Amino acid sequence: GAVVSQHPSRVICKSGTSVKIECRSLDFQATTMFWYRQFPKQSLMLMATSNEGSKATYEQGVEKDKFLINHASLTLSTLTVTSAHPEDSSFYICSARPLATGWNEQFFGPGTRLTVL
Amino acid sequence: GDSVTQMEGPVTLSEEAFLTINCTYTATGYPSLFWYVQYPGEGLQLLLKATKADDKGSNKGFEATYRKETTSFHLEKGSVQVSDSAVYFCALSEGGFGNEKLTFGTGTRLTIIP
Repeated sequence: GAVVSQHPSRVICKSGTSVKIECRSLDFQATTMFWYRQFPKQSLMLMATSNEGSKATYEQGVEKDKFLINHASLTLSTLTVTSAHPEDSSFYICSARPLATGWNEQFFGPGTRLTVL
Repeated sequence: GDSVTQMEGPVTLSEEAFLTINCTYTATGYPSLFWYVQYPGEGLQLLLKATKADDKGSNKGFEATYRKETTSFHLEKGSVQVSDSAVYFCALSEGGFGNEKLTFGTGTRLTIIP
């Protein structure tokens, strides 16, 4: 089946630093990738939708200057949390929609746990 | 806006027990409904889906029926196994092609004991 990986799986950083999270589709090409955030005991919240070669579309309330998304190729999207603060600590999950399937077939990565000290 | 409410967990059952995880939704239009499952250390996987009222999605012994009159999509399995232990998410989407925004419930952690 279609596999999506995320790297790193866990990251701890100091307040004020930037952290980059990678999302890769391993065995398919993805025109669209999605970034979600999950707080403990809460649902996944869509942060942004990225399309290869174009700017990401951010959901209302998500700071695009803080959460930089780059979808530079059909197999890689990156989320950079800039000037991280403790309130940015969360579980970040990406998903990818293959080029060839119909709508709403998203394949999810295993997630990245970010802890900001 | 759209929302999904699902049964809070955790849920613990003995092997071969009957499972129901409740899910209700609020949507402005006619959404598609999904159940995703997340096994430990893995990403969410689509378990089953239904795209219109009265459709029944099924996979791996799990079933869910799209009930428009009660705005529900409850997940059921007649006889659970230890390998079914995972977190289950109910979700909806009102988007067509190119607009696949998913709205998720909070997830229900299921543990099956031998």
